Amino acid sequence: GEDVEQSLFLSVREGDSSVINCTYTDSSSTYLYWYKQEPGAGLQLLTYIFSNMDMKQDQRLTVLLNKKDKHLSLRIADTQTGDSAIYFCAESRGGGNKLTFGTGTQLKVEL
Amino acid sequence: DVKVTQSSRYLVKRTGEKVFLECVQDMDHENMFWYRQDPGLGLRLIYFSYDVKMKEKGDIPEGYSVSREKKERFSLILESASTNQTSMYLCASSHPLRNYEQYFGPGTRLTVT
Repeated sequence: GEDVEQSLFLSVREGDSSVINCTYTDSSSTYLYWYKQEPGAGLQLLTYIFSNMDMKQDQRLTVLLNKKDKHLSLRIADTQTGDSAIYFCAESRGGGNKLTFGTGTQLKVEL
Repeated sequence: DVKVTQSSRYLVKRTGEKVFLECVQDMDHENMFWYRQDPGLGLRLIYFSYDVKMKEKGDIPEGYSVSREKKERFSLILESASTNQTSMYLCASSHPLRNYEQYFGPGTRLTVT
C-alpha cells in the first residue's frame, strides 16, 4: 500500500460523523473504492466512485473525490458501533483487474 | 449468496515446511488473487490468476508460488516457510467484466515458528 496512504486510527463517538481520508497516486485509476473489514472477516466492498465523479452518496455514506489533489474521503453519517471496522481505500491500476490498497484506517466507535 | 472459502482459519507451521493455502470460489470468476495483510502495510498482492493455468506475479511474489488447475480453486504455496511469512493471507476473486468488485475469503492466519 505504499502508493495509497491513510491514517491508521480514527476514534469517534456514536452518533457523530466519521471522515476517513485517503491519498492515492495513480491518476489513471478508473475507479476508486472503499472496502470494509469487520473483525475476523475478509474485506467487503462498501462503495466505489468512478473517476469522472466528484461525489457519490449512498444512504449514510458520502464519498468525495478531489482529482487535483488525488484525495478521496469517506464520510459516515450517524456513526454506529456496528461501523467499527478497518476501512481500506483502493485504486484500480491503470483500469485493470488489479487493485492497490491503502494501509487501512481502524475506526473505533465509542459510546 | 456468493462465497469465497479458504481451507483454514488458523495455521501453525515450522520454519522450512512446505505450506499449502487453498482458496475456492463458487461464482465462476476468472480472476483470483492472493494477498497478505500486515498491520500498517495494508494488503499487498502476492500473485493473481486471470484464468486456469495462468498466473502473474504481484508486488511481493518472492518465497511464494501458486497453482490454478481448476477455475474455482487457487492455491498459494510457501515452498519453505520462514518466520517473516507469518501473516494473514486473504484470497479474493472477481469477474473480469465487473473487476471493480473483489470478493474476499475470511483469511488464513499463518504463524511460522
